[in-house]
Amino acid sequence: EVQLVESGGGLVQPGGSLRLSCAASGFTFSDHYMEWVRQAPGKGLEWVGRTRNKAKSYTTEYAASVKGRFTISRDDSKNSLYLQMNSLKTEDTAVYYCARVILVPNTYSYMDVWGKGTTVTVSS
Amino acid sequence: DTQLTQSPSFLSESVGDRVTITCRASQGISGYLAWYQQKPGKAPKLLIYAASTLQSGVPSRFSGSGSGTEFTLTISSLQPEDFATYYCQQLNTYPVTFGQGTRLEIK
Repeated sequence: EVQLVESGGGLVQPGGSLRLSCAASGFTFSDHYMEWVRQAPGKGLEWVGRTRNKAKSYTTEYAASVKGRFTISRDDSKNSLYLQMNSLKTEDTAVYYCARVILVPNTYSYMDVWGKGTTVTVSS
Repeated sequence: DTQLTQSPSFLSESVGDRVTITCRASQGISGYLAWYQQKPGKAPKLLIYAASTLQSGVPSRFSGSGSGTEFTLTISSLQPEDFATYYCQQLNTYPVTFGQGTRLEIK
């Protein structure tokens, strides 16, 4: 079964750091781009960022709201995706989802598998 | 950034009704448009990709259409399990963006 399981969420003070993990199983993790998406309480979905695969040198993209504070990385040997979050703000409070990307160059792209999410609360 | 505007933001419909949700992009996004369904406390679920391709396992009452800047999601005959929030998403340019969502409730 194709599955993504996030972990690492919790309560952190403003200015603090947290590292989220996403464990993948049931598919060839190393082939895929992977993304983080978040959802603040009662709000819509917000894209956080993407990591490409080894063929694309593991390059990353970030939303402006997190650029310079968040870092996406991956360990293909462990089938794992990570989100290092530094300098956290109250507005980073959200459920964080990891998702698998399907990309057909010059044609289409979408996120077909999502984890259940992990909750991050930034509060003093 | 490519902004996506969904309309309406809220719908109140009955079982068996036909529903159409529109997603307008601030610039052309080719076919890089996906639709997701989200129920409270759950992760989003992919319904449609490439604007009109039904994801495997999704009931055929769901359909998508459109190109360029205007797209629609149609549910031909609402079922009780369809009451949820629906989001469009563009993956044509960075940053990836989502519409604000359309909440579909039972009348």
